[in-house]
Amino acid sequence: AQKVTQAQTEISVVEKEDVTLDCVYETRDTTYYLFWYKQPPSGELVFLIRRNSFDEQNEISGRYSWNFQKSTSSFNFTITASQVVDSAVYFCALSDMDSSYKLIFGSGTRLLVRP
Amino acid sequence: KAGVTQTPRYLIKTRGQQVTLSCSPISGHRSVSWYQQTPGQGLQFLFEYFSETQRNKGNFPGRFSGRQFSNSRSEMNVSTLELGDSALYLCASSSHGWDRNNEQFFGPGTRLTVL
Repeated sequence: AQKVTQAQTEISVVEKEDVTLDCVYETRDTTYYLFWYKQPPSGELVFLIRRNSFDEQNEISGRYSWNFQKSTSSFNFTITASQVVDSAVYFCALSDMDSSYKLIFGSGTRLLVRP
Repeated sequence: KAGVTQTPRYLIKTRGQQVTLSCSPISGHRSVSWYQQTPGQGLQFLFEYFSETQRNKGNFPGRFSGRQFSNSRSEMNVSTLELGDSALYLCASSSHGWDRNNEQFFGPGTRLTVL
């Protein structure tokens, strides 16, 4: 069965610190997609990144970077030089053929960036 | 391009009543998915509609139903409301649905409170 685990329930850092949010997934499919979403207090889920299972290249977008490792079934997200505006709940999600491509979310990690 | 809109944004109902939530996807998008978010269960998939047909359904009781109109707008209905139905209901649209290269764009959600 598919599963996404975000073991860190809450992380608190001081502004300008780097922070890594962990995501471990389980799937039997060889073709699958991984996502990260940000949910600010307003409630709307904001898409951050999508990765397919055949592309293990790490990606960097500004202060954000993602490390995809199939060997450990992990898709970790790092924020460099965190800012107060990064405070939100971050969700990792999996989509595969077995689940008919619906999004299976982890439980989320609440990030608090203190000034 | 306008984003996903959901109405109403907030709703208060009492046990036993029924409720209808509405979602208008991004123009041109034909797939609409619904998710329920609660503190205890997290984000859970309800169902997906594509071209007026339900193509995927999550593990929710029959009290939860939905439909999609020819203009891709979708409604979900919950009958005989229970206290546990209190949640944030999120709608997501994507252009094709089965092509997982298309990310899902989420609306702001409808927060339902059942008293």
